[in-house]
Amino acid sequence: EMVMTQSPATLSVSPGERATLSCRASQSVNDNLAWYQQKTGQAPRLLIYNASTRATGIPARFSGSGSGTDFTLTISSLQSEDFAIYYCQQYNKWPLYTFGQGTKLEIK
Amino acid sequence: QVQLVQSGAEVKKPGASVKVSCKVSGYTFTAYHMHWVRQAPGQGLEWMGTINPTSGRTSSAQRFQDRVTMTRDTSTSTVYMELSSLRSEDTAVYYCARRMWVRRGYSYGPGDYWGQGTLVTVSS
Repeated sequence: EMVMTQSPATLSVSPGERATLSCRASQSVNDNLAWYQQKTGQAPRLLIYNASTRATGIPARFSGSGSGTDFTLTISSLQSEDFAIYYCQQYNKWPLYTFGQGTKLEIK
Repeated sequence: QVQLVQSGAEVKKPGASVKVSCKVSGYTFTAYHMHWVRQAPGQGLEWMGTINPTSGRTSSAQRFQDRVTMTRDTSTSTVYMELSSLRSEDTAVYYCARRMWVRRGYSYGPGDYWGQGTLVTVSS
């Protein structure tokens, strides 16, 4: 069974600082990994796909890295609108499209 | 622009079925597969299944395989997700999401455009 584990569950960061979120897969997913941002009451928004490619319209302060089992989403200088929940999702192995449990990014 | 517009909120009794629609515009309906993803209150995201709008072929998560039916109507550019034998644990927001093409020849990908979500409440 494919399991995606995100850490930490909650991350407290001040505006203007850097945030680093982690996602670990229980088996290699190569670079078939996406990151989403979700704000309360809204649908998820695709940020990153193929582990490191920004989706259309996503600001350059969002970057993704990693391959295999360990992945990172970095937000270089947090803006007020970045405080949200972030999910990773693999699309490599069955069961397809497994999501992590999410990291809540909150204002410190 | 790409838009996915879902049907409105539903309240159902345990044991009933619900059918949620997702009408798309702004792109060629048959060019992209469609995911269905749900989110229980205060919980994370859960993939339910995917439909190929061209063939109607579907794939679904094992835990939903005997209860979920995904269909499409190409004449109206609409996909549907029907969930049967509802129980209280099925109370959730249900989303459709267009599956993007991430690279040539690769048949899987994340959702790049999402519907607004449909709240389904199961309660006696």
